[in-house]
Amino acid sequence: DSGVTQTPKHLITATGQRVTLRCSPRSGDLSVYWYQQSLDQGLQFLIQYYNGEERAKGNILERFSAQQFPDLHSELNLSSLELGDSALYFCASSDSGTGSERVGNEQFFGPGTRLTVL
Amino acid sequence: AQTVTQSQPEMSVQEAETVTLSCTYDTSESDYYLFWYKQPPSRQMILVIRQEAYKQQNATENRFSVNFQKAAKSFSLKISDSQLGDAAMYFCAYRSYTTSGTYKYIFGTGTRLKVLA
Repeated sequence: DSGVTQTPKHLITATGQRVTLRCSPRSGDLSVYWYQQSLDQGLQFLIQYYNGEERAKGNILERFSAQQFPDLHSELNLSSLELGDSALYFCASSDSGTGSERVGNEQFFGPGTRLTVL
Repeated sequence: AQTVTQSQPEMSVQEAETVTLSCTYDTSESDYYLFWYKQPPSRQMILVIRQEAYKQQNATENRFSVNFQKAAKSFSLKISDSQLGDAAMYFCAYRSYTTSGTYKYIFGTGTRLKVLA
């Protein structure tokens, strides 16, 4: 158990709909990352938040948005869903602070939310 | 920009044998971290091993070890005494320090490892 939780585990919806994926990072982790993984593909980085602020954007569509709340949990909102949005969406957290501290700082991944758009 | 390349989309190994998965990266940074993650059929991402660039000694974790060649920007994963449970997709990842004061992680495209009984 990585300590990162994601809900729901599975989500089935129709094209044109809007869904919200939720992530709770490991206790103490300030950074949250969202990734999309289509079938048998690699990880596509979507967006990163650090302590409530957006810090980096990857290949995130305009129909997608995210936020990180004061309690550090994060939500990924996907709207106007298309068939091609069907994928596994991972959230990861890390304790990446600032400065030059030498810690492991690997990412801890949640179990993912499997989104199916019909 | 940093890049991570895994040139082997798929590898096979006989049970109990040894296999090496390749990873190369490109960076101008001198201090960074490298990781290997395993993704079994359950799709959970599991950290296998990490390497700090400032350490010359290769990291080892039980049957897993790396061959870190900093000058060549190479970071291969060796799995000894392969077991059926090692069958998975393996991702190489690089952690980069960003100007915004946090870190970003760059993943390779993955290598699917099949273990033959």
